[in-house]
Amino acid sequence: SQQGEEDPQALSIQEGENATMNCSYKTSINNLQWYRQNSGRGLVHLILIRSNEREKHSGRLRVTLDTSKKSSSLLITASRAADTASYFCATDVMNRDDKIIFGKGTRLHILP
Amino acid sequence: EAQVTQNPRYLITVTGKKLTVTCSQNMNHEYMSWYRQDPGLGLRQIYYSMNVEVTDKGDVPEGYKVSRKEKRNFPLILESPSPNQTSLYFCASSFPTGGRQPQHFGDGTRLSIL
Repeated sequence: SQQGEEDPQALSIQEGENATMNCSYKTSINNLQWYRQNSGRGLVHLILIRSNEREKHSGRLRVTLDTSKKSSSLLITASRAADTASYFCATDVMNRDDKIIFGKGTRLHILP
Repeated sequence: EAQVTQNPRYLITVTGKKLTVTCSQNMNHEYMSWYRQDPGLGLRQIYYSMNVEVTDKGDVPEGYKVSRKEKRNFPLILESPSPNQTSLYFCASSFPTGGRQPQHFGDGTRLSIL
């Protein structure tokens, strides 16, 4: 079952611009995570935001969470060629310690 | 170095020939999980394990088996592989639970079943 749905499916921007990706989910959560996947490689954890947090920063990454709208956004500022990758959101399931559900991802391409 | 190691990285085999993909982590994580990734479908969970001798089905368990005899290892077994199991497979681990902590992923195993 898919909980998180990223939007857009694909995004191309010029190097130096900001990239924004969105994630919507269906059920109540304790936390939401964002991951990056370089082509053909494993996912790498970027940031975790808890349901009682509204915004979190890590370097050039800014994540927001709106639990009333069941949505999150990932902003990458001053994009670089190395940011070209797929980005996934993942949510846990309230009252289920064992469950994590990934979305289908946004493919980000940074143009030189 | 903290890591999740999968083997093999690539495998081409034929329908019906049993195969095992190994997964090992050196972080003493309790939670381990297997996913398959297919174009347009994202990551789908196959099986997961909360601890030694504790395994449970994910969203797409048909055709797969797992075991968790030791904390560090979580092999994925395809008893009779079929072409629809051609996919990119990932093993992941975390401490202590699946949904509430960052997952550490292996580099993936690309399986082709002919």
